[in-house]
Amino acid sequence: KQEVTQIPAALSVPEGENLVLNCSFTDSAIYNLQWFRQDPGKGLTSLLLIQSSQREQTSGRLNASLDKSSGRSTLYIAASQPGDSATYLCAVGGHGGNTGKLIFGQGTTLQVKP
Amino acid sequence: DGGITQSPKYLFRKEGQNVTLSCEQNLNHDAMYWYRQDPGQGLRLIYYSQIVNDFQKGDIAEGYSVSREKKESFPLTVTSAQKNPTAFYLCASIGLGTGVSGANVLTFGAGSRLTVL
Repeated sequence: KQEVTQIPAALSVPEGENLVLNCSFTDSAIYNLQWFRQDPGKGLTSLLLIQSSQREQTSGRLNASLDKSSGRSTLYIAASQPGDSATYLCAVGGHGGNTGKLIFGQGTTLQVKP
Repeated sequence: DGGITQSPKYLFRKEGQNVTLSCEQNLNHDAMYWYRQDPGQGLRLIYYSQIVNDFQKGDIAEGYSVSREKKESFPLTVTSAQKNPTAFYLCASIGLGTGVSGANVLTFGAGSRLTVL
């Protein structure tokens, strides 16, 4: 059974710092991996989607990598800003090939201090 | 603007009552999903539907029911059989294939928070 783990559960950094969020999964037979952002009391917003054949995806200050063999993904945030404060969730797709059936990690809550 | 609308945003239920959460999308997405989120836990899949008049159980379907009579609507009923219904409920949809808005990217609604009194 696929399990997704995110470490750390919470992270606090000063503004301007570069940071890395970690996601690990137990079964390397995945269809894709997505990173989401969730603001308090809100729904999820998709940040980056990495297909199983890809190694990384970039969007602005965000870069996500995928290493299926080691069961790991990282989300790199460059030059962090207070507006980046939110909970970041990674999710693995591949459950029977249905791309909407995702297994989520518990999330990392990020606080960027001005 | 295209998107997913969930209502109500907050809902209170007495023990023994059934409640229905609404989810409507105007993205022309084929597949829709219901997830449950508890504090400190990741989202867990309740039910999903890939086409009208068809749906499948997710990992935690017990105590819930759904219907998919229209492509744009996927309501979730939390029944009295659900022993711990207090949670944040998220509806999502995805466009399957190419040429569809948000193809292969799961789009979420803003969520409904259910509290049992």
